[in-house]
Amino acid sequence: AQTVTQSQPEMSVQEAETVTLSCTYDTSESDYYLFWYKQPPSRQMILVIRQEAYKQQNATENRFSVNFQKAAKSFSLKISDSQLGDAAMYFCAYRANAGGTSYGKLTFGQGTILTVHP
Amino acid sequence: DGGITQSPKYLFRKEGQNVTLSCEQNLNHDAMYWYRQDPGQGLRLIYYSQIVNDFQKGDIAEGYSVSREKKESFPLTVTSAQKNPTAFYLCASSIGTGGYYEQYFGPGTRLTVT
Repeated sequence: AQTVTQSQPEMSVQEAETVTLSCTYDTSESDYYLFWYKQPPSRQMILVIRQEAYKQQNATENRFSVNFQKAAKSFSLKISDSQLGDAAMYFCAYRANAGGTSYGKLTFGQGTILTVHP
Repeated sequence: DGGITQSPKYLFRKEGQNVTLSCEQNLNHDAMYWYRQDPGQGLRLIYYSQIVNDFQKGDIAEGYSVSREKKESFPLTVTSAQKNPTAFYLCASSIGTGGYYEQYFGPGTRLTVT
């Protein structure tokens, strides 16, 4: 079974600084996607960024980028120029692309609470 | 505006009662999902449906039931057999179940059972 682990229950960063959130996963499949979701205090889940396992280039969305290390099964999220609105719970998630027993399912990590200090 | 609605936002029930949580989407998505969120455990999949009149158990289906009679609706019933039903419940949908497709989430329902 696939597992996703976020080892940092809480992180903090000063406004305008950079922070990296860690995520590791375990799978025997080769074709999959990885995601970072943001859950602000409103509890509305928002997709931040996604990465396809077959793409070597790290995904980037404005101030958000990932460091995807497939061999190490690591998928960290870097937030640059942190803003007060970035404060939220961040979830790493895994999803098989096709076939396999986990087809269509998102498997989430435990989450990391990010606090942004002004 | 297209999106997913869940009602009500807060729900209170007495122990031993069944309760049904509503989830409606107008995104014309084929796939729909129910997740449960508990503190410190992230989200866990309860049930999912890839197409109307078909659904599969997720990781924690015991004590729950679903139906998918219409494409836009995927209600979740929390039965009295669910031992610890107090949690935050999130509904999601996606165009398909392939890995690329983004799952869009509803605002959630907080269920408290006493």
